[in-house]
Amino acid sequence: KAGVTQTPRYLIKTRGQQVTLSCSPISGHRSVSWYQQTPGQGLQFLFEYFSETQRNKGNFPGRFSGRQFSNSRSEMNVSTLELGDSALYLCASSLASGRAGYEQYFGPGTRLTVT
Amino acid sequence: QQQVKQSPQSLIVQKGGISIINCAYENTAFDYFPWYQQFPGKGPALLIAIRPDVSEKKEGRFTISFNKSAKQFSLHIMDSQPGDSATYFCAASSEEDKIIFGKGTRLHILP
Repeated sequence: KAGVTQTPRYLIKTRGQQVTLSCSPISGHRSVSWYQQTPGQGLQFLFEYFSETQRNKGNFPGRFSGRQFSNSRSEMNVSTLELGDSALYLCASSLASGRAGYEQYFGPGTRLTVT
Repeated sequence: QQQVKQSPQSLIVQKGGISIINCAYENTAFDYFPWYQQFPGKGPALLIAIRPDVSEKKEGRFTISFNKSAKQFSLHIMDSQPGDSATYFCAASSEEDKIIFGKGTRLHILP
């Protein structure tokens, strides 16, 4: 069974630009969560999507948004990039949401650098 | 109340020794406590998880000890090997709350 895949793996953008990251979950998994990982703040939850609906959201500004498609693939968008958005963005998938979806499987991440 | 405090930040253990990483939480609604292992350039991988109805769970060389009254849980790695060198994250979650991660422990096993 293929794992969680994320594209692109590396990305360099300029301040003020926007970026879209993509995540393909494990086949059969319907929940996709996004995380931001930085050396200073560690792993921080961005949002979770289940059956194309945002189920939960972390404490990030509205510049961070996402969506999920009917095939469970998910995209994350960051608009008006700031230097502080430089991070590893991780996607994790699970079978379901809530207690039934506690076991999450992470992708390798997208390393975003904002200059 | 939403924090998960993890210690130590870094840990050096001799090969064959026991590595111990501790975590503490405040939110009594948390009912799922996983540990993740992350190697450089990779995403975190689920290592072992425990629910508060048991005090200990063992999988191979990895053991989680859970103290519900103290709101603490820990990861023990027995017979630590150089291949165990990685960053370890504890986490806590509940039905209604998003998963909260500890800040991570960078473990280095000396050969």
